[in-house]
Amino acid sequence: AQTVTQSQPEMSVQEAETVTLSCTYDTSENNYYLFWYKQPPSRQMILVIRQEAYKQQNATENRFSVNFQKAAKSFSLKISDSQLGDTAMYFCAFMNYGGSQGNLIFGKGTKLSVKP
Amino acid sequence: DTGVSQDPRHKITKRGQNVTFRCDPISEHNRLYWYRQTLGQGPEFLTYFQNEAQLEKSRLLSDRFSAERPKGSFSTLEIQRTEQGDSAMYLCASSLRPTVQVSNEQFFGPGTRLTVL
Repeated sequence: AQTVTQSQPEMSVQEAETVTLSCTYDTSENNYYLFWYKQPPSRQMILVIRQEAYKQQNATENRFSVNFQKAAKSFSLKISDSQLGDTAMYFCAFMNYGGSQGNLIFGKGTKLSVKP
Repeated sequence: DTGVSQDPRHKITKRGQNVTFRCDPISEHNRLYWYRQTLGQGPEFLTYFQNEAQLEKSRLLSDRFSAERPKGSFSTLEIQRTEQGDSAMYLCASSLRPTVQVSNEQFFGPGTRLTVL
């Protein structure tokens, strides 16, 4: 069974600085997807960034980028130029590749606080 | 707003009562997922539908839980004889069926927070 581990329950960063959230996972599959989702306080979860395991190039979305290390089964999220609106729970998630597989497997989350 | 909607947003019930939640997915999405999120944890998968067919169920989905998506549009999740351990946020998500051209991104609703007294 696949598992996702986020070892940092809470983190804080000063506004405009850079922060990296860690995620490791365990799987015997070769093809899969990895995601970072953001859940702001009392608001719904939204996708931040996704990575296909077969792609060697790390995904980037504006201020958000990942460091995907397939051999190490590591998938960290870097947030540059942190903004107050980045304050949220961040969840790392795994999904098997393949049309019949659909569910996301989430880590326990990292609570990020951006301080002014 | 054409996002995923859930009703009710909050539900308080007494132990032993039955409750039913509704999820309306994004209209063109043929996949619909249910997750449960307890305090301090990430969401845990319960079940998912492709159109009206329930394709996968988690071991978390005990016999007291049943989900339906009768016309391939909205879905309901019913919990019978609720227990205090059922207290959680129940999240619904929807997506298109992923292909090489189509993303598998899941769009989440705001959730239904269930409190069992």
